[in-house]
Amino acid sequence: DAKTTQPNSMESNEEEPVHLPCNHSTISGTDYIHWYRQLPSQGPEYVIHGLTSNVNNRMASLAIAEDRKSSTLILHRATLRDAAVYYCILRDGSSNTGKLIFGQGTTLQVKP
Amino acid sequence: GAVVSQHPSWVICKSGTSVKIECRSLDFQATTMFWYRQFPKQSLMLMATSNEGSKATYEQGVEKDKFLINHASLTLSTLTVTSAHPEDSSFYICSAPSHRDFSDTQYFGPGTRLTVL
Repeated sequence: DAKTTQPNSMESNEEEPVHLPCNHSTISGTDYIHWYRQLPSQGPEYVIHGLTSNVNNRMASLAIAEDRKSSTLILHRATLRDAAVYYCILRDGSSNTGKLIFGQGTTLQVKP
Repeated sequence: GAVVSQHPSWVICKSGTSVKIECRSLDFQATTMFWYRQFPKQSLMLMATSNEGSKATYEQGVEKDKFLINHASLTLSTLTVTSAHPEDSSFYICSAPSHRDFSDTQYFGPGTRLTVL
């Protein structure tokens, strides 16, 4: 699986937008960009995923660069409950294994 | 979204004993499930892929005789840590893909914290 690079940590203020970057310069044409987050002492939780176009759901938005070598997860109004580790993962869409390989992720702190 | 449960949520055992952890998909069927291990302050490490009705596929470096995986039904996979030792103390998490909404989403269990004394 292609590798992703994320900042180790980020800080945000409550009720402000947060932009979490992810670099994936070796992405292939069949790789989907997935984002998961993990709250303390819990299993990871799906956030969003996309292939080429920007995506929106009730939790977040995903902005994908035109060359697909980077993407940004956008939380529109951070809350204290959004404090978590956010993982950006590439998933090969042509593979039927389904497995996800986690990197170190970005630890997001949200200040009141 | 789909729900994956794990049992127990935590377990403490003596060194040398075996511990079984269950992973269940509650509202969908999963022919494949995944087992991860996570040490404090570290990321999740994929241990193995559990396949319903066939042998599990282990990642490189994971001892298959140490971590026994059984996927006997479309909703249940079990991980048995045999002859557990303190270094096996970790947070074990399972996941399963749910294809019902074609989103290729993985659903994770809440995790099982194993402490070996």
